[in-house]
Amino acid sequence: GAGVSQSPSNKVTEKGKDVELRCDPISGHTALYWYRQSLGQGLEFLIYFQGNSAPDKSGLPSDRFSAERTGGSVSTLTIQRTQQEDSAVYLCASSPGTASLSFSYEQYFGPGTRLTVT
Amino acid sequence: TQLLEQSPQFLSIQEGENLTVYCNSSSVFSSLQWYRQEPGEGPVLLVTVVTGGEVKKLKRLTFQFGDARKDSSLHITAAQPGDTGLYLCAGTSGGYQKVTFGIGTKLQVIP
Repeated sequence: GAGVSQSPSNKVTEKGKDVELRCDPISGHTALYWYRQSLGQGLEFLIYFQGNSAPDKSGLPSDRFSAERTGGSVSTLTIQRTQQEDSAVYLCASSPGTASLSFSYEQYFGPGTRLTVT
Repeated sequence: TQLLEQSPQFLSIQEGENLTVYCNSSSVFSSLQWYRQEPGEGPVLLVTVVTGGEVKKLKRLTFQFGDARKDSSLHITAAQPGDTGLYLCAGTSGGYQKVTFGIGTKLQVIP
């Protein structure tokens, strides 16, 4: 199927190293979201893209976190100088993104990347 | 800041029992979604409600959007072990595409 895919599925890294997490959204979806979910918690919003632009970066926890989206498709979330508190599951979601339709906000999630910082 | 409060946060029930979980806010939402998440997977969309007072049914699940579009409920009839998971509500408002998620209700159905 043509669902949202994320890679890697699991990433173990040493404290202080940089990591890149990738998201491939559903083809044609203009909106893309990144969330973080710690063990047993709800979803923490990180950043939202409409096309290649990020109108809302308010959820990024610090300047060590950045994200980009190219070609209105693939997105990469980069965490620099990782810390142990960055350990979590990072979820990506896409949605159709047509502002005139309420159903355009329905989000389709990938399976997530489990990041462990040792 | 828009907040969505979900209650209860944890629920453990026996197979066959009925249950209701709630999603409340002081803000008005133009639409509200319910998702279910199982361990190790991303959330999966169950339903979207748009109109105040709207009721939607999905097999044994009944979703209701409050008249004022500030709250919603999910009722499960005759719960089954397969219903176990984290139930999340999410609201959107205006033309802005930021979606606000509740913290979730973790449901365990015991056989």
